[in-house]
Amino acid sequence: EAQVTQNPRYLITVTGKKLTVTCSQNMNHEYMSWYRQDPGLGLRQIYYSMNVEVTDKGDVPEGYKVSRKEKRNFPLILESPSPNQTSLYFCASSLTGFYYGYTFGSGTRLTVV
Amino acid sequence: ELKVEQNPLFLSMQEGKNYTIYCNYSTTSDRLYWYRQDPGKSLESLFVLLSNGAVKQEGRLMASLDTKARLSTLHITAAVHDLSATYFCAVDGGSNYKLTFGKGTLLTVNP
Repeated sequence: EAQVTQNPRYLITVTGKKLTVTCSQNMNHEYMSWYRQDPGLGLRQIYYSMNVEVTDKGDVPEGYKVSRKEKRNFPLILESPSPNQTSLYFCASSLTGFYYGYTFGSGTRLTVV
Repeated sequence: ELKVEQNPLFLSMQEGKNYTIYCNYSTTSDRLYWYRQDPGKSLESLFVLLSNGAVKQEGRLMASLDTKARLSTLHITAAVHDLSATYFCAVDGGSNYKLTFGKGTLLTVNP
């Protein structure tokens, strides 16, 4: 089944403890991106990647890192999480050209205490 | 900066009624997407609209795109309770390769 898989689905962590949210897609998509969703602020892009080793900042990149060493994986790294990073995170992927739309992962609900 | 405005933000409907959700965007784009989101769930792709005049229908939902007016509509026909969800439009503005989302329309269909 074609899908974007995120792990974990739920995570509660403490301030300052490094964490990684994984994202993997099995559709051979070149493009991958991370979004966060917050009440009243909607969905905002964090980082995106056009292909392996090509990444760039979105609208809200502060406090996050990404890497794209393989085409299928695009992990989101929080080196020192803070409470304001408590959010619902989505990974998305698409073929370049975006003519078939974007496929979203199931989401990761992160709580930083 | 691309802005996407949806209205209404909240919509309470009776079953069997028709209604339209509007999505306006601020800069030229010919790629617009509609998504559905149930509470706490992911975004499910409903429609991909890629050209002026595009119209797509799936069940009780029909979406259209007017790129000259920078307007897309999502029309709901004879609403049923199962359509209750939040509906987002999103525009691919081309730069930064990102989707810019509207704030979403929370649709509640009452018996």
